[in-house]
Amino acid sequence: ETVLTQSPATLSLSPGERASLSCRASQSLGTSLAWYQKKPGQAPRLIIYGASNRATGIPARFRGSGSGTDFTLTISSLEPEDFAVYYCQQRSNWRTFGQGTKVEIK
Amino acid sequence: EEQLVESGGDLVQPGGSLRLYCAASGFIFSDFAMTWVRQAAGKGLEWVSGISEGGDRPYYTDSVKGRFTISRDNSRNTLYLQMNSLRADDTAVYYCAKGWQAFGPWGRGTLVTVSS
Repeated sequence: ETVLTQSPATLSLSPGERASLSCRASQSLGTSLAWYQKKPGQAPRLIIYGASNRATGIPARFRGSGSGTDFTLTISSLEPEDFAVYYCQQRSNWRTFGQGTKVEIK
Repeated sequence: EEQLVESGGDLVQPGGSLRLYCAASGFIFSDFAMTWVRQAAGKGLEWVSGISEGGDRPYYTDSVKGRFTISRDNSRNTLYLQMNSLRADDTAVYYCAKGWQAFGPWGRGTLVTVSS
């Protein structure tokens, strides 16, 4: 099983600040990684697929990067609606998710 | 607009069975693989099962193999998850999602509670 380790567990930031979320894989994934946003009581939302491709309707402030075993989701300037939990997910070896990073308001 | 709506969640006793439904609209259902993902309270997302466009290739995470069966009816635009021999650790919100490589959109989920 491919294990995804996300860090940090919690990121405390203010609106307008830059967020940088990490996802590290236990084996090489190429670019077979996606990122999702999850808010309480809402459906998860696809943000990034193929490591760096923004999904339909996702603002340009969201950027995915990385390949192999190290991936990053960057939110260039946090908007109030961006505070949520973010999960990475791999599709190289079956399907697994990371444990999530909570982006909270400082 | 693409939309997925889950139903069928309920309170069930350990060892019991339940069938979940996912009604799809706004896209050509038969053109896409589909996926079930669950989230236990206070926990992260866990991939459960996926199925190919035609329904001939099902996939399962190890913890549900032999107990859960995924299927689909392309004429009804509906995805199913038959869950048997339910255990307490199956308690979660179950989401269906479009796709197999990356998942989106998702439904809002249906709650399954396994408890005596």
